[in-house]
Amino acid sequence: EPEVTQTPSHQVTQMGQEVILRCVPISNHLYFYWYRQILGQKVEFLVSFYNNEISEKSEIFDDQFSVERPDGSNFTLKIRSTKLEDSAMYFCASSFSGVGTGELFFGEGSRLTVL
Amino acid sequence: RKEVEQDPGPFNVPEGATVAFNCTYSNSASQSFFWYRQDCRKEPKLLMSVYSSGNEDGRFTAQLNRASQYISLLIRDSKLSDSATYLCVVRISGSARQLTFGSGTQLTVLP
Repeated sequence: EPEVTQTPSHQVTQMGQEVILRCVPISNHLYFYWYRQILGQKVEFLVSFYNNEISEKSEIFDDQFSVERPDGSNFTLKIRSTKLEDSAMYFCASSFSGVGTGELFFGEGSRLTVL
Repeated sequence: RKEVEQDPGPFNVPEGATVAFNCTYSNSASQSFFWYRQDCRKEPKLLMSVYSSGNEDGRFTAQLNRASQYISLLIRDSKLSDSATYLCVVRISGSARQLTFGSGTQLTVLP
């Protein structure tokens, strides 16, 4: 069964460092997303991406965040200068059609710990 | 007021029990509704969409009451493998590409 894959599974970084989280969405999917979940809290939307551009972003997705699809398979989330409060599980998701169908396929997540 | 509100639980039920979860949403422009399941420290997975007429998938039944802005999930004959956190998820009109998640209701099915 096709799946969304994410790397790394866990990253520990120092405050102020840049981090890149990588995702390989399901190959025929067209819409890509990043969500995050702080430990013990709800899943929160960060950004959606379609046709090589951001289609929506939340207030969490400020200037320290950026996304990129550098080639035909990878979808990355960059955090430029990490803060302690960026510690969370970051989930990449993809869907074939827009989110109206609800069928988002999530990766297993990248756990980011900022010290 | 939270956009999507759920009873956090935990619900501890014996195997074979019937359990119901409730969810309310605040934005009347909400258009699409879903239940996701999340196992401990794992990714959310779609359990079922929720349709206005109500829908059933095996032991799972979902209901939507738009007038009361209320969604429910009923699990019959619960299994040990049903132990998870159940997330109520809403797509709000004007947010075509994002889902809004509730905090989840934790279920533990006991042998």
